[in-house]
Formats: sequence, structure tokens, C-alpha cells
Amino acid sequence: GESVGLHLPTLSVQEGDNSIINCAYSNSASDYFIWYKQESGKGPQFIIDIRSNMDKRQGQRVTVLLNKTVKHLSLQIAATQPGDSAVYFCAENHNQGGKLIFGQGTELSVKP
Amino acid sequence: ETGVTQSPTHLIKTRGQQVTLRCSSQSGHNTVSWYQQALGQGPQFIFQYYREEENGRGNFPPRFSGLQFPNYSSELNVNALELDDSALYLCASSLNTGGTEAFFGQGTRLTVV
Repeated sequence: GESVGLHLPTLSVQEGDNSIINCAYSNSASDYFIWYKQESGKGPQFIIDIRSNMDKRQGQRVTVLLNKTVKHLSLQIAATQPGDSAVYFCAENHNQGGKLIFGQGTELSVKP
Repeated sequence: ETGVTQSPTHLIKTRGQQVTLRCSSQSGHNTVSWYQQALGQGPQFIFQYYREEENGRGNFPPRFSGLQFPNYSSELNVNALELDDSALYLCASSLNTGGTEAFFGQGTRLTVV
């Protein structure tokens, strides 16, 4: 079956706090991982990506961590804002015709 | 905005009918992938097109077919629609076939009744 999954279906955080969204993958051959944000009624929006030869990558208010030993991926959002409320998906690439394998998603809810 | 546009945004079809969905890729992107997203689920890969040829396919039956045109725009065709085909259909364009930095359109919401 599909190999990417998320530990928690929902996450609620207070505005201003940091958020951590987790993802497990099972295919050790995957060499590329992406986090997407999807707001209601919209397509997935690219947030940040990381290649398997890296452990960490930082963007604006976001950090992705990759632990290949335990096949775990996480997305950290600093100073979470109401506009961050959305469903977050991790996806992995097996380099098989560009196929991205998505997890089920985590719904992030930010409380004011 | 990603520059990837899809049409129509919403569509209602009857079981057994055929449907064509369209996608215009981001400028400069030569690769288009199609995904099906059921409610509450992550997107599922249908297939990818590169230089007007299919370049990889997911676990979807042959009644799901596609085309890519010289300008890199693409169509997804679904024949003999079934109720379970009701979903959000997403198009993603990228500069390469490896799936990296794939940017999605807003999707077409298909409802089969």
C-alpha cells in the first residue's frame, strides 16, 4: 500500500506557539520529501522540500527535519498564526515517473 | 498563486457519462501530473505526462486517460463514470519528471450522481 502516513489527524495550537507536524514513511529508497499546505477548497500549496542527503532545511518560519534512521519527517512552524490553519500533507518521491505518495494529512487549527 | 490553472472548477456528471478536465501548466514547466483526492484523503497519483507522452501511471483503470499538448497543457479524460469517481482532481506541473517542486492548481471538483 501507500507508504506515507501521519501520526495525528488533528492538531490544535495557540496562536504564537510553535507547531510540529509529524510524518512517517516506509520506503527507505525515497530520496525527496515535500510538505504541502491545503486550505479548504484549494489545491495543495508547496511549503518546503528536503532531499534525503539532508537532515534539516529551513524556510521562512518553517523547518523540515528528516530522520532517515527511523524514517520520520517533521514540519515545524514557528509562531503559528491563524492563517496557518489548514491541512498539512507530507509527500515522498520514489523517483518512479514523478509519482508523489501523499499521507492522509494533519489538520492544524490555530486558536486566537 | 502557482500559475497552474484548471477548468472547470466544479462539474456534475451522471454515472456512465464521460468527462474531460483541463489543465494549463505553469510557464516553462514541461511536465504535468494528475491526482485524485477523495474527501478527507491525500491526493492519489493517476499519471504523469512529459513531452506529450505518458510517463508513469498509478493504480487507476484504463478508463482514466490523458493527453498533453505541444504547449504542455493537459487533459484528463474519464469514461464510464462511477459514483466513486467523485473527488477533487488536481493537476500539478513541474520542470522535471522527478516530482520535485511540483506546483498544484486549485483543482476540479467532480461530482458523479
